[in-house]
Amino acid sequence: GAVVSQHPSWVICKSGTSVKIECRSLDFQATTMFWYRQFPKQSLMLMATSNEGSKATYEQGVEKDKFLINHASLTLSTLTVTSAHPEDSSFYICSASSLAGTGGVVEQFFGPGTRLTVL
Amino acid sequence: AQSVTQPDIHITVSEGASLELRCNYSYGATPYLFWYVQSPGQGLQLLLKYFSGDTLVQGIKGFEAEFKRSQSSFNLRKPSVHWSDAAEYFCAVEGQAGTALIFGKGTTLSVSS
Repeated sequence: GAVVSQHPSWVICKSGTSVKIECRSLDFQATTMFWYRQFPKQSLMLMATSNEGSKATYEQGVEKDKFLINHASLTLSTLTVTSAHPEDSSFYICSASSLAGTGGVVEQFFGPGTRLTVL
Repeated sequence: AQSVTQPDIHITVSEGASLELRCNYSYGATPYLFWYVQSPGQGLQLLLKYFSGDTLVQGIKGFEAEFKRSQSSFNLRKPSVHWSDAAEYFCAVEGQAGTALIFGKGTTLSVSS
């Protein structure tokens, strides 16, 4: 089946530094990738939609200058949290869309997530 | 706008008892529907999905869900719960193919012995 990886799986950084999170589709090409954020004991909230070769579309309330998304290839999207602060500590999960086999249905496959802790 | 409601924040079930987790959605047409499970500190695992066809969907780990268009529901069921089923369960909808999933707030399942 389709596999999505994320790196790193967890990261601890100091306040004010930047952190880059990678999302890779390992065995398929993904024209669209999504970035979600999940705070403790809460649900997943969509942050942005990333299409290969174009600018990401951010959800309302998500600062595009703080959360930089680059989707340079069909298998890689990166999320950079710039000047991270403790309130950015969260679980970041990406997903990638793929045209599934039967019936041409587009399916999404989720990465395992990256836990960011900002001290 | 699409939305997903999981009315039960927390459910406790005895081991071996049956389980039903509720999910209601709001969408103009028939969406794609999903159930995911998440253990503490872990990512999401897809339990089952509904795209079209048979409204009773079988998933992994003995779970099933039934899509009821008239009730805009997609409830998750399991006939006999195991202690390892204790986790957070999320219902999600995808309106148009290839768009982001909208998640419910989740239901925490506890299993008592």
